[in-house]
Formats: sequence, structure tokens, C-alpha cells
Amino acid sequence: QKEVEQDPGPLSVPEGAIVSLNCTYSNSAFQYFMWYRQYSRKGPELLMYTYSSGNKEDGRFTAQVDKSSKYISLFIRDSQPSDSATYLCAMSKSNAGNMLTFGGGTRLMVKP
Amino acid sequence: GAVVSQHPSWVICKSGTSVKIECRSLDFQATTMFWYRQFPKQSLMLMATSNEGSKATYEQGVEKDKFLINHASLTLSTLTVTSAHPEDSSFYICSARGIAGSSYEQYFGPGTRLTVT
Repeated sequence: QKEVEQDPGPLSVPEGAIVSLNCTYSNSAFQYFMWYRQYSRKGPELLMYTYSSGNKEDGRFTAQVDKSSKYISLFIRDSQPSDSATYLCAMSKSNAGNMLTFGGGTRLMVKP
Repeated sequence: GAVVSQHPSWVICKSGTSVKIECRSLDFQATTMFWYRQFPKQSLMLMATSNEGSKATYEQGVEKDKFLINHASLTLSTLTVTSAHPEDSSFYICSARGIAGSSYEQYFGPGTRLTVT
């Protein structure tokens, strides 16, 4: 079993829809949670970062962490065709330079 | 934001030859650089972590004699794929973390696509 599980999709939604992307994990030692966006043939770009449980909002993006359920989510409001990309969750056990463990990525397609 | 570049962005080489990929932090000093490998439609797999001035730490299953990593300065790390074979064809991505950076502050390069024929 992988440490971090993520539905690969593809997830296809119409423009303007609310998108929900999720990851589950098995290791309770993870404390730092990140979401990256990766366009085709490009490197990942950090979107959101959350420490421990709770919510964090940044523009159209909201990240949620539920450590009791070992479940994290990224919500995208008013989705745009430019949001079409692969979204990767990643997590880390500490803030002191520990490596990131990535989910497999979910491919999102937002249709105009 | 912090910018990381990779060179080349795309390389084709013949089986048995060696290929060097460069990763540079352009506007910050990177004490730690990470090298990842990504197969089509799959996630990033960490290959090794390199700290400036010291030997790289390789993940389990990664051959250190095949994937040579050098981090000679605070702005440059190189990955050399030695005696490349077709199964080494992949997308190689580096990331860099600054001197005071937290684990989440990894800035990724655009990746290098390696095709071995």
C-alpha cells in the first residue's frame, strides 16, 4: 500500500464548477501538507501549504486537512480551462528539511 | 518567486552513452537539491537528496554508480546518467530549497525529458 493515495482521474468538469481533489494517507507522522499543480511537460508549482489540521484559503483555492481521518482536500471554485493540469498532493513529516512524499496526481480537465 | 532552471530541457542519446543534466537556482542559494524521476502519468519518485559540498543520499533502489549527483556550489547540482539504457528514458525533475527553507519551500525546475535509443 502506498503511503499517499490519490485518485488519478481524469476528472472532467465544466467551466465554473467547483472541483474537489482529495488524498488519503496512512502515516500519522505527516504534519505538513502541500498541493502542487503540474502542467504537461513542466515541473510542479506549489499552490497551497497547510500545517496540521484545518483550512486555508487563497483566492479560488481552499485546502483542508483532517488529520483524524488522514484525509486532505483541495477545492477550486469557479474553475477555469487554465486550471486544467495534474494536481499532486505532497506531505512531509517535519519542517526541518525532510523529504516530500507525493501522491500519484489527479488529472483535471476543465471544459469551456 | 524563486526560479530553478534545468538544462537541457530535452535530450536524446544512444544506449551506452552518458548524459549530464544541470539544475540551477537562479535567484537564491540552494543548500539542498532534490532529484526526482517521473514516468508518464505517474507521480514524482525521489531519487536522491544532495546537500552542497557533501555526498548525495540516494533512495532505496536507486543505483548511485549509475546516477551520479554532484552539488558543487550553492546554485548548481548535476545529475549524470551513466551508460544510459532505454529503460532510463524518463522525465527528470530537480527541486531546490534555500538556506532557511522549510520542507514545503521546494522550488521545482521545468524538468528534462531523456530519451535513450
